[in-house]
Amino acid sequence: EAGVAQSPRYKIIEKRQSVAFWCNPISGHATLYWYQQILGQGPKLLIQFQNNGVVDDSQLPKDRFSAERLKGVDSTLKIQPAKLEDSAVYLCASSSRTSGRLETQYFGPGTRLLVL
Amino acid sequence: AQSVTQLDSHVSVSEGTPVLLRCNYSSSYSPSLFWYVQHPNKGLQLLLKYTSAATLVKGINGFEAEFKKSETSFHLTKPSAHMSDAAEYFCVVSHNTDKLIFGTGTRLQVFP
Repeated sequence: EAGVAQSPRYKIIEKRQSVAFWCNPISGHATLYWYQQILGQGPKLLIQFQNNGVVDDSQLPKDRFSAERLKGVDSTLKIQPAKLEDSAVYLCASSSRTSGRLETQYFGPGTRLLVL
Repeated sequence: AQSVTQLDSHVSVSEGTPVLLRCNYSSSYSPSLFWYVQHPNKGLQLLLKYTSAATLVKGINGFEAEFKKSETSFHLTKPSAHMSDAAEYFCVVSHNTDKLIFGTGTRLQVFP
């Protein structure tokens, strides 16, 4: 079974530029998550999708971050404009959760973003 | 509110000696607890999880953890460290929802 795919793996941009990350979850997984992992910290949930609907985006800085999952499969996370403090690893995860049960989340390798 | 505290940011052991990574949790409800491992340039991988069944949980690669409600702890152990165990380990809590709350991580170094 193929895992969660993410691209690009690395990205360097200057502040105030925009950037987009892509995630392809495990086939058949209805739930998709984006996390931000700042150096020295644990991952923090940014947004959760159930199929193509948003379940939780309470931690997403909506003035500059946006995410979509239009067809309930792939997802993109965008930052516009980027700030220095956005430098982090952005992790995508998916799970097969479709009911109230807690299912295992499977993580992709992440995209490492450096904002100069 | 839920949280986890990983008591050590770095742990160093010699190959073949026991590993102990400490984690304390705070939760108003019966929590689900996890340990994830992160190898360099690889995704987070689930080692084991506790979801209110047996308090001693066995995971992959010889790791296990014991849920102790009286101590609000969920320490990760392995009897004998291997060089390949060197990685970052995260203790995670959830209250039976999808929202995972991660600790700050413990970096395990294994010396030959």
